[in-house]
Amino acid sequence: AQSVSQHNHHVILSEAASLELGCNYSYGGTVNLFWYVQYPGQHLQLLLKYFSGDPLVKGIKGFEAEFIKSKFSFNLRKPSVQWSDTAEYFCAVNDRYRDDKIIFGKGTRLHILP
Amino acid sequence: NAGVTQTPKFQVLKTGQSMTLQCAQDMNHNSMYWYRQDPGMGLRLIYYSASEGTTDKGEVPNGYNVSRLNKREFSLRLESAAPSQTSVYFCASTQRRGEAEAFFGQGTRLTVV
Repeated sequence: AQSVSQHNHHVILSEAASLELGCNYSYGGTVNLFWYVQYPGQHLQLLLKYFSGDPLVKGIKGFEAEFIKSKFSFNLRKPSVQWSDTAEYFCAVNDRYRDDKIIFGKGTRLHILP
Repeated sequence: NAGVTQTPKFQVLKTGQSMTLQCAQDMNHNSMYWYRQDPGMGLRLIYYSASEGTTDKGEVPNGYNVSRLNKREFSLRLESAAPSQTSVYFCASTQRRGEAEAFFGQGTRLTVV
């Protein structure tokens, strides 16, 4: 069965620090990969996605992620975080051809200190 | 463009009561989903529907039923609510299998007392 592991449950950083959130998935098929963000009290919004092509994908608000197929990883990065990045971040995976399930990780709660 | 609309936004139920959560999307999407979100557990898939007339179990289907009424609407029913079903429920939809991301509704906060 598909599964998604997010290594960091709670991360605290100061403004301007660099960010990397880990995500690993367990599935051998052709996958779509996503990062979603949930700001306090809001619903999930797409941050970025990987379907195919360049394994380094750029998303909104300066975020990027790198797909490393050999490591089954899709880590999220941002060179310099802002207070407004305080939110919960979810990695998700979907089998592109087998079924329509989208499976999420448990999330990483990011807190940025001003 | 409303996107994915869920009703109600908040609900309090007594143990044993039943209720239906409604979800509708206006993006002509084929696939629809119901998730529950609990602290420290992320989003867990309850049921999903790949197309009108089909539904499949997700990770945590026990205690729930779903209906894909038409292409736009996908409802989630709790026949006999239990305190363990206290959660925030999100509906989502995607255009098609393949290269497509999910769009989420605003969520329904359900409390079972």
